[in-house]
Amino acid sequence: NAGVTQTPKFRVLKTGQSMTLLCAQDMNHEYMYWYRQDPGMGLRLIHYSVGEGTTAKGEVPDGYNVSRLKKQNFLLGLESAAPSQTSVYFCASSYFPVEIGDNEQFFGPGTRLTVL
Amino acid sequence: RKEVEQDPGPFNVPEGATVAFNCTYSNSASQSFFWYRQDCRKEPKLLMSVYSSGNEDGRFTAQLNRASQYISLLIRDSKLSDSATYLCVVKADTGGFKTIFGAGTRLFVKA
Repeated sequence: NAGVTQTPKFRVLKTGQSMTLLCAQDMNHEYMYWYRQDPGMGLRLIHYSVGEGTTAKGEVPDGYNVSRLKKQNFLLGLESAAPSQTSVYFCASSYFPVEIGDNEQFFGPGTRLTVL
Repeated sequence: RKEVEQDPGPFNVPEGATVAFNCTYSNSASQSFFWYRQDCRKEPKLLMSVYSSGNEDGRFTAQLNRASQYISLLIRDSKLSDSATYLCVVKADTGGFKTIFGAGTRLFVKA
């Protein structure tokens, strides 16, 4: 069981470039999430998905797009990277919605993105 | 005011010490509370949920004070391996997705 995996682990982009971060989970979880983590701030939700083929906006969705074509994969795209998107990006998944009780989120190892 | 606030620390304690962190939240509708642990340059992992009556898991004790709107984490007999950042997580069941992560409290346990 690999759990939640993310690729790539590190990336450096120039302003205006695009890229896609891939998240994969092998736990058959319905719910998947993309967060960003910045110094001095808690994790902030970018987008989430409640099942294959569905996506929804989180707290900070601007500048990002997502797709969930397969249940096990959740892709995060940056169409035109900006220095403000320099951050550590974490993907997470859960079996039940995180709003419900003690439901745990399982996180991937993160992607460190620098936009120059 | 942030919805979830934590003292960023760092807390520097010797091995064997007892250390406590607090986390305050602003939304009185918050209903679920958790502590996650995040090692340096790693992903967050669930440490424990926080129940209304308080709960204990080995050396770790979590408590909730709804009246004052804070949760706490107590670590007894600190180990070097407890060195990490501890994230407070609060869920507000107001309809829609609302899970708020605190910025974390850093703990260093030294020999």
